[in-house]
Amino acid sequence: GEEVAQTPKHLVRGEGQKAKLYCAPIKGHSYVFWYQQVLKNEFKFLISFQNENVFDETGMPKERFSAKCLPNSPCSLEIQATKLEDSAVYFCASSPAGGKLFFGSGTQLSVL
Amino acid sequence: GENVEQHPSTLSVQEGDSAVIKCTYSDSASNYFPWYKQELGKGPQLIIDIRSNVGEKKDQRIAVTLNKTAKHFSLHITETQPEDSAVYFCAASQRGGADGLTFGKGTHLIIQP
Repeated sequence: GEEVAQTPKHLVRGEGQKAKLYCAPIKGHSYVFWYQQVLKNEFKFLISFQNENVFDETGMPKERFSAKCLPNSPCSLEIQATKLEDSAVYFCASSPAGGKLFFGSGTQLSVL
Repeated sequence: GENVEQHPSTLSVQEGDSAVIKCTYSDSASNYFPWYKQELGKGPQLIIDIRSNVGEKKDQRIAVTLNKTAKHFSLHITETQPEDSAVYFCAASQRGGADGLTFGKGTHLIIQP
């Protein structure tokens, strides 16, 4: 597709429940990025992929967060045992090799 | 790692006036500097970018300048219009975006009618 598609737009989970977010990158883009945007607008880098391989995961809280980008499937970001502080908007972006990042419209995760 | 500082956090200008947002970065290896516009409830939208081999770039009412020696870059919007109201983010990257972006904390631009 011509734009990064993220689903769902909104996700509500009770504390301790699992959350799974999806991202379909722009066709032909080989890099996928996940960012977390918290209330004060700050973007926190989580993880990036080059095709289906993890490129950089230095931002991932590894105990509860995991991500995948498998061939012929949307990329996913999964949070096991959500906590209140996981409430944020999660953005996916894709990029051609070494090029501009294009962002999706985000998934608003609310943990109650 | 890279650190990007952005100022001001809020900027209010009269419609038709110019707006300038400034950013500094810490890592001299950074070579790609995009600017994003984010409207309420939407994802960031790339509005202009500049690479370190260029000092200035213009696109209609928007321009970006880069001073590599001082490690700062600025966004200039001329003849501001109500639809320019949004949060603007600067960012920096070392490999033209391939290794992701380090963002500033954003500037809320308010255009007063």
